[in-house]
Amino acid sequence: SQQGEEDPQALSIQEGENATMNCSYKTSINNLQWYRQNSGRGLVHLILIRSNEREKHSGRLRVTLDTSKKSSSLLITASRAADTASYFCATVGTGNQFYFGTGTSLTVIP
Amino acid sequence: EPEVTQTPSHQVTQMGQEVILRCVPISNHLYFYWYRQILGQKVEFLVSFYNNEISEKSEIFDDQFSVERPDGSNFTLKIRSTKLEDSAMYFCASDSSYSNQPQHFGDGTRLSIL
Repeated sequence: SQQGEEDPQALSIQEGENATMNCSYKTSINNLQWYRQNSGRGLVHLILIRSNEREKHSGRLRVTLDTSKKSSSLLITASRAADTASYFCATVGTGNQFYFGTGTSLTVIP
Repeated sequence: EPEVTQTPSHQVTQMGQEVILRCVPISNHLYFYWYRQILGQKVEFLVSFYNNEISEKSEIFDDQFSVERPDGSNFTLKIRSTKLEDSAMYFCASDSSYSNQPQHFGDGTRLSIL
């Protein structure tokens, strides 16, 4: 299976702190993407990192990719209560289908 | 910003009945997808669709499932004879090109089979 696996499964932090989530996967990839899902809503794309990239930034988000370890991390800096959501990594298969992990449930306490 | 829209937001159906879930992808997108998320579990790929035919499908997408783009704007998922285990959130997604692009997801249809 190519599916990513995130850890931790759940993370609770105080507003203003940084949150780090990790993703591991099993096979080679073209790119890896991170998505957010608020309760009862669809997935919202956050950031895409290509297999030849090692780090990418977007606002308060920082993503790293280590293809030798088949792992990625998502760092959210200066967290806000509105960041409370589930975060998923997705690896892209040969047919452009996404394989999602089990997700990390992030709670940011005001 | 353009959105993927899905209807209905919640569908309740008796076991054995047929159900059609509807999606309107973003208008200039060419690739369309259906995913399923059983409560508390991963989002799972069902099928991808391009140029009026299925590109890829997963093991979940058996003969009970079919997809169609009947009129150039809607993209539908039909489940012919629903089972209890079909209860899940079904997400439609679309994107504009084949690789290295984000997919845009709708808010999903919650399907409840009684």
